[in-house]
Amino acid sequence: GENVEQHPSTLSVQEGDSAVIKCTYSDSASNYFPWYKQELGKRPQLIIDIRSNVGEKKDQRIAVTLNKTAKHFSLHITETQPEDSAVYFCAAKDDKIIFGKGTRLHILP
Amino acid sequence: DTAVSQTPKYLVTQMGNDKSIKCEQNLGHDTMYWYKQDSKKFLKIMFSYNNKELIINETVPNRFSPKSPDKAHLNLHINSLELGDSAVYFCASSHGTQGTEAFFGQGTRLTVV
Repeated sequence: GENVEQHPSTLSVQEGDSAVIKCTYSDSASNYFPWYKQELGKRPQLIIDIRSNVGEKKDQRIAVTLNKTAKHFSLHITETQPEDSAVYFCAAKDDKIIFGKGTRLHILP
Repeated sequence: DTAVSQTPKYLVTQMGNDKSIKCEQNLGHDTMYWYKQDSKKFLKIMFSYNNKELIINETVPNRFSPKSPDKAHLNLHINSLELGDSAVYFCASSHGTQGTEAFFGQGTRLTVV
């Protein structure tokens, strides 16, 4: 079955700097790669996603890249703000959604 | 209207009891999931279910069983609760095998004492 590895587990960046979270997946049949943000005590919510026929996607300060050959995908957050502090999960989906172990992002003032 | 709703939000119970968590979605999705989120925040899939197939994560004890009376509901039954079952349980739904977003319920915090 699918296995998703996510790094780092914790990330602290200065407000205004960029944050990068990286994931790898194992199942070449996976065709959909969503990223979720989970704030304390809340449910995970989708922030951006990418499909296997696309290499890069951007939405304002958030971008995701996908390298199908290497089975890597990454989340990039630019100009980080305090409200970006949360746990971020990458995921890969074939017939079910498998999540990475999460990255706790701290934005330092 | 809430897209995916779970009840109860909090559940405190004693070891050995049997409990259920209910989940309903009004999005017309045909696939529903249960995830367990432990204290380390790992989101582990327990079950995925559509109108054709139940896929069980082999690491899930058979004390856990999903019950789906119809496409819009996937309830989670837990027998003989153990301390290690304490976690937040999330229900989610999506369109089957298509590459689409999963919507999560608000979670049920289960505490076994």
